[in-house]
Amino acid sequence: DAGITQSPRYKITETGRQVTLMCHQTWSHSYMFWYRQDLGHGLRLIYYSAAADITDKGEVPDGYVVSRSKTENFPLTLESATRSQTSVYFCASSELSTGTRGYNEQFFGPGTRLTVL
Amino acid sequence: GEDVEQSLFLSVREGDSSVINCTYTDSSSTYLYWYKQEPGAGLQLLTYIFSNMDMKQDQRLTVLLNKKDKHLSLRIADTQTGDSAIYFCAEGMFSGGYNKLIFGAGTRLAVHP
Repeated sequence: DAGITQSPRYKITETGRQVTLMCHQTWSHSYMFWYRQDLGHGLRLIYYSAAADITDKGEVPDGYVVSRSKTENFPLTLESATRSQTSVYFCASSELSTGTRGYNEQFFGPGTRLTVL
Repeated sequence: GEDVEQSLFLSVREGDSSVINCTYTDSSSTYLYWYKQEPGAGLQLLTYIFSNMDMKQDQRLTVLLNKKDKHLSLRIADTQTGDSAIYFCAEGMFSGGYNKLIFGAGTRLAVHP
């Protein structure tokens, strides 16, 4: 399927377990992002990646690990899940901006609803 | 600091106009965006405005930008039930090779007959 996909769409896990959320895009976009969406906070950036093997922290990176061995995949791992990580997680991708005022749309996946018990 | 604020809920009658308001703090924003999120779905870009523009119109959508007051609004004319969704305001700043987005908490628009 063309576009950006996330799996699983829903996940229930227990405190202390490791969980990996998958993200896949078919556009060969340079940039990929992970956001979490919580009530009253909008979307907050967890990690982003400029290219394969290049990742950087966003606003709320603690407790998360990312990797990007291939351009099209950007998995997000919660190494030891906590209840505070119960959230909806969105992956997004965009092309490289070409100038100081470059506009590049971020395209969002459908989200993964994660519940940590 | 960077902060985007918007009211959390708006209820309108079908056929009326909806106006969703947003304020932001960072004057270095290059673009301002409106995203729409339908139930169970990801965010979809609805429209955007370049920071040196005052207004942008796109069919039923009108975006107004007051840079002095750092106020952004989205007007939806002839609101339909299909417009029911959460609308996110976001300011964008060029950061390295991408547009860093700062999102508001979202306004839930409910359209009733």
